Amino acid sequence: RKEVEQDPGPFNVPEGATVAFNCTYSNSASQSFFWYRQDCRKEPKLLMSVYSSGNEDGRFTAQLNRASQYISLLIRDSKLSDSATYLCATGGFKTIFGAGTRLFVKA
Amino acid sequence: DTGVSQDPRHKITKRGQNVTFRCDPISEHNRLYWYRQTLGQGPEFLTYFQNEAQLEKSRLLSDRFSAERPKGSFSTLEIQRTEQGDSAMYLCASSQRGGPGNEQFFGPGTRLTVL
Repeated sequence: RKEVEQDPGPFNVPEGATVAFNCTYSNSASQSFFWYRQDCRKEPKLLMSVYSSGNEDGRFTAQLNRASQYISLLIRDSKLSDSATYLCATGGFKTIFGAGTRLFVKA
Repeated sequence: DTGVSQDPRHKITKRGQNVTFRCDPISEHNRLYWYRQTLGQGPEFLTYFQNEAQLEKSRLLSDRFSAERPKGSFSTLEIQRTEQGDSAMYLCASSQRGGPGNEQFFGPGTRLTVL
């Protein structure tokens, strides 16, 4: 079993849709959780850290469920520019990434 | 630009040659990481420095791979006797000790192609 698992997708959604990604992790001792966005042939860019209480940044909401060992990312009112691969990551300095979930937002 | 920089951006080499990549982290960041990423996968952790000390190495980092950060600023990653399986994007990231949750910021990567 991989340490961090994501649904590879792709998710194809129309503009304005709400889309949710889940990510499960196997290391119960993980303390830090993140969502990164990666555009094709570019480096990952930090989207948001995920806190125990959950956090929201505009159209993006991240949640953590320690009991079930998963984190989620909700994107509301999808834009064409949201099309990218979304990577979840856990851990401290040795950060473990999932393989990413591809999102295509179409007009 | 005060982000993480990497050089070169692209490297094409023949099997058996040695290659060296450089990473310059964000200036106030004392932690530096190397990752390798292949198509369809997330970044795979290779190694981590805090200042000049290399504190963790992945078992993915075989004897042909070595990384240094001699003065606690820039870092180099060397691959000796390259193999076709080494073809990948090599990413460098940096973070600030004590920063929120160890958020890492990535450079643009060095894309290695081994012929």
